[in-house]
Amino acid sequence: ETGVTQSPTHLIKTRGQQVTLRCSSQSGHNTVSWYQQALGQGPQFIFQYYREEENGRGNFPPRFSGLQFPNYSSELNVNALELDDSALYLCASRPSGGRANEQFFGPGTRLTVL
Amino acid sequence: SQQGEEDPQALSIQEGENATMNCSYKTSINNLQWYRQNSGRGLVHLILIRSNEREKHSGRLRVTLDTSKKSSSLLITASRAADTASYFCATDEAQKLVFGQGTRLTINP
Repeated sequence: ETGVTQSPTHLIKTRGQQVTLRCSSQSGHNTVSWYQQALGQGPQFIFQYYREEENGRGNFPPRFSGLQFPNYSSELNVNALELDDSALYLCASRPSGGRANEQFFGPGTRLTVL
Repeated sequence: SQQGEEDPQALSIQEGENATMNCSYKTSINNLQWYRQNSGRGLVHLILIRSNEREKHSGRLRVTLDTSKKSSSLLITASRAADTASYFCATDEAQKLVFGQGTRLTINP
């Protein structure tokens, strides 16, 4: 157990809809990252939040956005869903000052866009 | 973008045999990590090797790193059915992890 939880486990949406995925980090972990993993691929970095501010972003369009809350929870929001957004979404958290290789991953949310 | 390639993409061996997976990367690194993923779920950190290390062991795992060739290998000895999973190498750059495409390992009883 990594102490990082995600909800929901699975989600089905239709193209054009909006979705919110949630992550709860370990206490004291004020840095959270989100990754998208398409089927058969490795995870790709979406963005990172530190103390409720985005401080790093991968090659993803603005319709991917996030929020981080003081209680160590965070959200990934995706607007105007496209078929290619179907993937496993992973969040990972680490304590302040921790390196990227010290982060703990949640079990993921499997999103299917029809 | 993916950091590099992993080889092979899929590997199927008998229980008890050794499994070797390779990873190549593109940029200079401070360290490289290997992760395991069971059935499309969360990633489990297996081992980290620093750029100044050439080999590292952890239980049945042996990792090598060749920075001149920008490559790493993961050896799992005496494989077990529970080792069936996907294995990913990852490097960290600017606070994010950059993953390879992974090797899907199947251990046959």
